Amino acid sequence: EDQVTQSPEALRLQEGESSSLNCSYTVSGLRGLFWYRQDPGKGPEFLFTLYSAGEEKEKERLKATLTKKESFLHITAPKPEDSATYLCAVEGEETSGSRLTFGEGTQLTVNP
Amino acid sequence: ETGVTQTPRHLVMGMTNKKSLKCEQHLGHNAMYWYKQSAKKPLELMFVYSLEERVENNSVPSRFSPECPNSSHLFLHLHTLQPEDSALYLCASSQTSGGHPSYEQYFGPGTRLTVT
Repeated sequence: EDQVTQSPEALRLQEGESSSLNCSYTVSGLRGLFWYRQDPGKGPEFLFTLYSAGEEKEKERLKATLTKKESFLHITAPKPEDSATYLCAVEGEETSGSRLTFGEGTQLTVNP
Repeated sequence: ETGVTQTPRHLVMGMTNKKSLKCEQHLGHNAMYWYKQSAKKPLELMFVYSLEERVENNSVPSRFSPECPNSSHLFLHLHTLQPEDSALYLCASSQTSGGHPSYEQYFGPGTRLTVT
């Protein structure tokens, strides 16, 4: 059974204070690891897909990295508009169809 | 319309009511999903339709009944719900991978359901 654990549960940063969110996963053969951003009362918004250890992807102030056991979402010089819940999900080779297993998310608050 | 749309956005229903949630995707995808999101819990996959074939999560109570008439539309029919079914119901769509690699899912805005 695929498992995803995200830490910390909540993170408060000052504007400009860089930090990282962690996603630890257990999966039998990784097909893909996904990062999403979710604002209150809205559906998750796709950010990145990572497929293999060593892969990195960047978008504005966000950078996602992947190892064989975990992924990090690095936030550089965050702004208040980066405040949201960040979700990590994996799809393993043993799942049939396109089934994602999600973590509980990290709630990020960036204060001005 | 673009992306994934869901209606209604908010729904309040009694335990004896019957209602339906609707989802439509405008992305040309061939897989659609229903998720349940409750406070302080991870997203729970309820149903998957891939190439219009249903892959069902066996732990979903029978009071939830999905319908996928074509690759662009997905419904979730609700009847005799319980208060613990109150949650945000999210629809998503993707290309079906059939193996490597896996494709990202795109989500709708959700329907906030309250069962009284």
